[in-house]
Amino acid sequence: QPVLTQPPSASASLGASVTLTCALSSGYSNYKVDWYQQKPGMGPRFVMRVGTGGIVGSKGDGIPDRFSVLGSGLIRFLTIKNIQEEDEAVYHCGADHGTVSNFVGVFGGGTKLTVL
Amino acid sequence: QVRLVESGGGLVQPGRSLRLSCAASGFTFSTYAMYWVRQAPGKGLEWVATISDDGTNLYHADPVRGRFTISRDNSRNTLYLQMNSLRTEDTAIYYCARAPWDDYGSYCDFWGQGTLVTVSS
Repeated sequence: QPVLTQPPSASASLGASVTLTCALSSGYSNYKVDWYQQKPGMGPRFVMRVGTGGIVGSKGDGIPDRFSVLGSGLIRFLTIKNIQEEDEAVYHCGADHGTVSNFVGVFGGGTKLTVL
Repeated sequence: QVRLVESGGGLVQPGRSLRLSCAASGFTFSTYAMYWVRQAPGKGLEWVATISDDGTNLYHADPVRGRFTISRDNSRNTLYLQMNSLRTEDTAIYYCARAPWDDYGSYCDFWGQGTLVTVSS
C-alpha cells in the first residue's frame, strides 16, 4: 500500500502564496490523493482530489478559488494563493488502495500551516 | 444539508467494549460507502474501517482487525463501530465520514465532528 509523506509544518505571510506537498511512496505515481483541511477542535473538511493530471472531480463545498492542485510524478501539490487568516489549519492528504476484495485507506502525517 | 453526528464515546477500561454510532441525515445514506477515521491526541488521521453502501463489503485496518467491526443499518441511516478488547492505544477522536466512490476510488467528502474515546484504567 502507498505511504504518504508530508512536511510537518509550513508558514506563509498574509496575502502570500504557499504550496504544500504530499509525496507518494515509490511505485504509486498514478495514484490520486485527497486533500483535507482541519481547524482546531473540528472535523476535517474535504478540499479536493488530485492526480497526475491535476484536479480530479470537484472541489469541496465552499472551497475558494484560491485553492488549486497539481500532480507530478510522486508528488501532489496543494497551492493556496492570497492566504487569509482562516486558511491557518492542518492539511492532511489521504489515498485509498486496493480492490473490492482488499482495501486500505492511508493518510499522511499532516502539515500545520501557520499564517504569519 | 449533509449531517453526520457521532455518539457513544467515553472513558472505558482496557479490555472492555464500546459501540460508536454515526447518525446520518441530509442525503440518501444507502447509496454511499462510509468510513471511520480516528485521530489520537496531537496526531494525524488514521484510517480505521470502511463499509460499502449495501454493507456487504467490510474493510478494517490492521491495528483493529479482529477487535473492531464496522456495520450499518440503512433503515435507520446509522453507521456503527463495535470496538472490543480496547487498548490504551485506541484512545482517539473517532470520526465518521461519507465516502463517494467513483472510477478514481473513494474519498471522504463530509465528516462528522467526532466522538472521543479514552481507554484508561
